[in-house]
Amino acid sequence: GEDVEQSLFLSVREGDSSVINCTYTDSSSTYLYWYKQEPGAGLQLLTYIFSNMDMKQDQRLTVLLNKKDKHLSLRIADTQTGDSAIYFCAEKATDSWGKLQFGAGTQVVVTP
Amino acid sequence: GAGVSQTPSNKVTEKGKYVELRCDPISGHTALYWYRQSLGQGPEFLIYFQGTGAADDSGLPNDRFFAVRPEGSVSTLKIQRTERGDSAVYLCASSLSPRGGETQYFGPGTRLLVL
Repeated sequence: GEDVEQSLFLSVREGDSSVINCTYTDSSSTYLYWYKQEPGAGLQLLTYIFSNMDMKQDQRLTVLLNKKDKHLSLRIADTQTGDSAIYFCAEKATDSWGKLQFGAGTQVVVTP
Repeated sequence: GAGVSQTPSNKVTEKGKYVELRCDPISGHTALYWYRQSLGQGPEFLIYFQGTGAADDSGLPNDRFFAVRPEGSVSTLKIQRTERGDSAVYLCASSLSPRGGETQYFGPGTRLLVL
């Protein structure tokens, strides 16, 4: 099946920008998502991008999509301690209504 | 409540036993999903319902796993003859529809431990 790959860990200083990267293999993916998971809490949708876009900005979050390289990134500006969490990249293929394929997650640790 | 709820929040059982996990979706959401998340992994798709019917059950690992949604709202995931490898967090999500841009809202999960 298709795989979604992410780096496992990212450490960033408070106030700096964080960049979390993801690669996917399904060229038919139509929607790509970023979810956040905090300890003991459910998955929270942060943002998503449609495959005909190459960038989307939402307050401190910027998503960049390179469809040719099947590469997705999430940039968090002015990272705060409350941004410490696991971030998951997920894709939805055209022919897979409803089914999300997740990466293994990137643990982001924000240090003061 | 306004969100997806799941019960129980934790379940400890013995190998070979039968368990049921319940999901209450957001009111009015026609699509409901089950995922399984093992330690250190991302959620893995199990099954999704559109209304009462299972539209895609391709993620169910074997015939010990079964899910129902008889009235198109609450869903129950049933696991027979549990094995230690079934230990994971079982996540439920719902959305207004399964269309691409519709947000899947996740519940807090049921943590299943099979001894």
